[in-house]
Amino acid sequence: GDSVTQTEGLVTLTEGLPVMLNCTYQTIYSNPFLFWYVQHLNESPRLLLKSFTDNKRTEHQGFHATLHKSSSSFHLQKSSAQLSDSALYYCALEGTGSKLSFGKGAKLTVSP
Amino acid sequence: EAGVTQSPRYAVLQEGQAVSFWCDPISGHDTLYWYQQPRDQGPQLLVYFRDEAVIDNSQLPSDRFSAVRPKGTNSTLKIQSAKQGDTATYLCASSLWYEQYFGPGTRLTVL
Repeated sequence: GDSVTQTEGLVTLTEGLPVMLNCTYQTIYSNPFLFWYVQHLNESPRLLLKSFTDNKRTEHQGFHATLHKSSSSFHLQKSSAQLSDSALYYCALEGTGSKLSFGKGAKLTVSP
Repeated sequence: EAGVTQSPRYAVLQEGQAVSFWCDPISGHDTLYWYQQPRDQGPQLLVYFRDEAVIDNSQLPSDRFSAVRPKGTNSTLKIQSAKQGDTATYLCASSLWYEQYFGPGTRLTVL
C-alpha cells in the first residue's frame, strides 16, 4: 500500500536558520498528490503545500517544496525559521483510492 | 464559506460507555473522512465516504465502531463500547477533489 517516510520526532531550530523536513513516499499510483500539513497546538491539520506536478516548485507562506517523482520525494524547506513556525508538520500522500496516507510527523520548535 | 464543523468538541467517558460524534462537511464536498489521531501521532484514517457510500472502512474496528452518512451530507461516527485505547482526537475532513479540509476535532478521553 501507500506509505510516507518523513523527518519525525522533535526538530529544534534557532530563529533565522533554514528549515528542512524530508519526505519520501511509496505508491504504485503514477500520479500521486503530495501534501504538507501543519498542525498548531490544539488545532486541526491545515494544508500548507500541495503538488502533483513533477519538478515544479510550490510555495506558500514562505515555505516551498518540489515534487521529484524520480526520487519519490517532497521535502519541505524555508529559508529562515520564525517563532510562529513552531508546530507539527505532516507529509501526506494521496495515491491509490483517494485517501491520504500521513507520515508520523515532525514537531518543529523554533527558539529565539 | 463555512468550514467543517464537528460536535461535541470534548467527551469524557468511562470504559464501556457509548459515544457519538457528528460531522457537517463543507457544502458541496462529496467525500468525507473520519480520522483517529492519538496524542503525539499523525491522523490515521478510519473510514471514508463518497456521497452516502462507504468507500473504505478497512481500518474501522467493526466490532465497536460504526459510521454512517445516510444522505451524503452529515455523518455520525459511533463507538459502541469505548476502551481506554480509544482515547484520541477524532477528526472529520471533507474534500471535493484532492484537497482535504479538516474540522476542529473531538477530543475523547476514556477513563
